[in-house]
Amino acid sequence: QSVLTQPPSVSGAPGQRVTISCTGSSSNLGADYDVHWYQQVPGAAPKLLIYINDNRPSGVPDRFSASKSGTSASLVITGLQAEDEAHYFCQSYDRSLSGPLIFGGGTKLTVL
Amino acid sequence: QVQLVESGGGLVKPGGSLRLSCEASGFIFSDYYMSWIRQAPGKGLEWLSYISITRSFTSYADSVKGRFTISRDIAKNSVYLQMNNLRAEDTAVYYCARQIYHDAGDYFDFWGQGVLVTVSS
Repeated sequence: QSVLTQPPSVSGAPGQRVTISCTGSSSNLGADYDVHWYQQVPGAAPKLLIYINDNRPSGVPDRFSASKSGTSASLVITGLQAEDEAHYFCQSYDRSLSGPLIFGGGTKLTVL
Repeated sequence: QVQLVESGGGLVKPGGSLRLSCEASGFIFSDYYMSWIRQAPGKGLEWLSYISITRSFTSYADSVKGRFTISRDIAKNSVYLQMNNLRAEDTAVYYCARQIYHDAGDYFDFWGQGVLVTVSS
């Protein structure tokens, strides 16, 4: 059971918009720790997609956006493309844990 | 360009040991924290351990504390994970990652390709 909760799967047709949620608690997102997002396409290593809540690294399309509010965060993908089919993980810091860097369980995005 | 290359994975019996290596290039290695993260087959990501720039501080997930040891060799641009008393549940792909220190929670901006560790008799 992950400390950050994500839906196991979401889906959308090409061109559509999808949202992936990440729900934490008062010891992580609610304690003003930032959230980061990673994309993992099948067979590859994870790649940083969004850092510090809503920042895109160079090379990440602006179809990807994210936000954080209170104990929750969201990743939004607009104009869905076939190559967006992947697993998406949120990540943050938890002050109650001795090993403080935490990931969500991951969400599989299927492009229909 | 930043590159992280893991090695040292393989098949090991329960109770055995293995040492993973991660060689870094394309950046000033001594300027960054480094982490190990794993992914069991078909599962999510689990952060395991990080080591600070000066090697004076390390942190571990409870699942590996006391069994795994992280270290780094600045001269070799490498970070290591010594894994002892391995269990079947340690079977996973192990990634090293460059860690960005951020006062509201660190994150990982570059990852290696991963190395598979299989613990089985």
